[in-house]
Amino acid sequence: DIQMTQSPSSLSASVGDRVTITCRASQSISSYLNWYQQKPGKAPKLLIYAASSLQSGVPSRFSGSGSGTDFTLTISSLQPEDFATYYCQQSYSTLRYTFGQGTKLEIK
Amino acid sequence: EVQLVESGGGLVKPGGSLRLSCAASGFTFSSYSMNWVRQAPGKGLEWVSSISSSSSYIYYADSVKGRFTISRDNAKNSLYLQMNSLRAEDTAVYYCARGSSGRGYFDYWGQGTLVTVSS
Repeated sequence: DIQMTQSPSSLSASVGDRVTITCRASQSISSYLNWYQQKPGKAPKLLIYAASSLQSGVPSRFSGSGSGTDFTLTISSLQPEDFATYYCQQSYSTLRYTFGQGTKLEIK
Repeated sequence: EVQLVESGGGLVKPGGSLRLSCAASGFTFSSYSMNWVRQAPGKGLEWVSSISSSSSYIYYADSVKGRFTISRDNAKNSLYLQMNSLRAEDTAVYYCARGSSGRGYFDYWGQGTLVTVSS
C-alpha cells in the first residue's frame, strides 16, 4: 500500500498567519493527491483535488502544490473558520486509497 | 443539491452483522462511483470500499476484505454496506462519499452513521 505521511501532526497558528501543511507519499503518485478539511462532529469537506485544483466554493486562500511524492497545502491568511483537521488522500492506487494521519490546526 | 444520507448504524455484538444504507439525491446516481470511508473515535479517516457506477469494479481495504460487501441499487439511488463478523476495531462513524470521475477524490460526503461493536 502507498503510505501517506503528513507533517506536522498538529500546528498552532494565529488568525492572519500563512500556514503550510506537508504530505509525503511512499512512492510517486503523480498528481493524484487530494486535501480535505474536517471540523469536529462533521463530515470531511473536499478542498483541493489533483494536487492543485481548487474545489468549487472553496476560498482562494487555500492552495495546493506538488507532484510525485511531495505535496503542500497552503492557507495564505488564516481565518477563524479554518481551524480544523486537514487530511491528504492519494487516489493513484484505485485498489487502495489511503489517507494521511491528519494535521490538527489549532488557534495560538 | 447533492445529498447523501446514511442509515443503519447502531450497537452490535462482536461477531454480529449490520447493513448500512446511503440514500443519494440531487445527482445522477448511476453515473458515479461510490465509496465508504470510516473514522474510529478520535482517529483519522480510513477508506473502506469502493464500487464503480455499474458495479463492475469493487475494491476493499484489507482490514474488511472477506467480511464486508459493498453493493448499490441504481434504480433506488442507494448504496449499501453489508458488514459481517464485526469486530471491536470496526467501531467507527461510517461515511458514504461520492467518487469523482477518474481522479479518485470524494467530492460529497454524507453526515455519517455510527457503528459500535461491543458486548
